[in-house]
Amino acid sequence: DAGVIQSPRHEVTEMGQEVTLRCKPISGHDYLFWYRQTMMRGLELLIYFNNNVPIDDSGMPEDRFSAKMPNASFSTLKIQPSEPRDSAVYFCASRLSGFEEQFFGPGTRLTVL
Amino acid sequence: GENVEQHPSTLSVQEGDSAVIKCTYSDSASNYFPWYKQELGKRPQLIIDIRSNVGEKKDQRIAVTLNKTAKHFSLHITETQPEDSAVYFCAAMREAAGNKLTFGGGTRVLVKP
Repeated sequence: DAGVIQSPRHEVTEMGQEVTLRCKPISGHDYLFWYRQTMMRGLELLIYFNNNVPIDDSGMPEDRFSAKMPNASFSTLKIQPSEPRDSAVYFCASRLSGFEEQFFGPGTRLTVL
Repeated sequence: GENVEQHPSTLSVQEGDSAVIKCTYSDSASNYFPWYKQELGKRPQLIIDIRSNVGEKKDQRIAVTLNKTAKHFSLHITETQPEDSAVYFCAAMREAAGNKLTFGGGTRVLVKP
């Protein structure tokens, strides 16, 4: 397996634009997680899914953020409209279940000008 | 919910010396404690984990200890090498309570040659 795949790897956009980040989890994994990493706030869990169903979105900062998982092999995180404070590295991660290892994708570095 | 505190936030050691990172958690029912290493510009990767039925686990130069009574666990790196320089994150999880990892704030380790 190629591991968790994220695209794009880098995104530069202007304030007010819509941004869509994409993730393909490892095949067969039951859980998918979206994290945001910044120097100030560390590694924050935004939302996670179990079997394509959102379980906990309490980390989503505000209504500008939304996430979907239409099937077991694809998820999106959308920011609309984007703001400069959304600039961060966004990681997607997947895990089989329970005590199994959680694998992170390479991340998407988002810069909002 | 779970809260994980990690100390110190930065740690500088001489090559060959040992490094110790400590974490405390709040949920006494947490039963899984992984450690992740994140090199500069890379994704977090699992380096070692421990379950609550074990007090200590070793893997070559790294070891993790768990004190359930005090609700703290530690990462020990012996004979540090320059390639150990990275940010280390501890995490805690209560299996079957959402299977969500709660991460500590991270420790930046610098190994000086």
